Amino acid sequence: DAGVIQSPRHEVTEMGQEVTLRCKPISGHNSLFWYRQTMMRGLELLIYFNNNVPIDDSGMPEDRFSAKMPNASFSTLKIQPSEPRDSAVYFCASSPIRRMNTEAFFGQGTRLTVV
Amino acid sequence: DAKTTQPPSMDCAEGRAANLPCNHSTISGNEYVYWYRQIHSQGPQYIIHGLKNNETNEMASLIITEDRKSSTLILPHATLRDTAVYYCIVRVAGTDMRFGAGTRLTVKP
Repeated sequence: DAGVIQSPRHEVTEMGQEVTLRCKPISGHNSLFWYRQTMMRGLELLIYFNNNVPIDDSGMPEDRFSAKMPNASFSTLKIQPSEPRDSAVYFCASSPIRRMNTEAFFGQGTRLTVV
Repeated sequence: DAKTTQPPSMDCAEGRAANLPCNHSTISGNEYVYWYRQIHSQGPQYIIHGLKNNETNEMASLIITEDRKSSTLILPHATLRDTAVYYCIVRVAGTDMRFGAGTRLTVKP
């Protein structure tokens, strides 16, 4: 398996533009997590899905952020309109849900710069 | 609202064991203890997890106290490549997975 795949790896956009980050989880995993990492705030959980259903989006900073998981193999995180303070590394992770707990696997992240 | 407490930083000599502590005094009976690490700006990497028994794999050992209120991650022979931020997390599968500030481990030659 190729692991969790995120795209793009780097994104530079102008303030006010729409940004869409993409994530392909590991096949067979049914939990998916989106994180944002900055020096000031560390690694923050934005939202997570179980079986394609959003379970907790309390970490989504504001209405400009939205996330979807239309099927088990794809998720998007959208920022509209983007602002310079959204500049961060965004990570996606996936995990199976099993009776015996197991680990989550992370993608390499998308480094977003909003200018 | 962190469930775990870790020292912000630690040093270790190359080739020696690195012992990273974690306090999780409010852990519930069905929560597992997980350890991840993040090297530079890469995505966090899973290391090990356990419920109440000590665990060992090719990367590390996990020692959980009998009352489960604390644990220690042991890297038996630290190398320079083990320099990273180490995160201790408690969670139940299928629930949220929240990271604290972690411990920045520096392995020195």
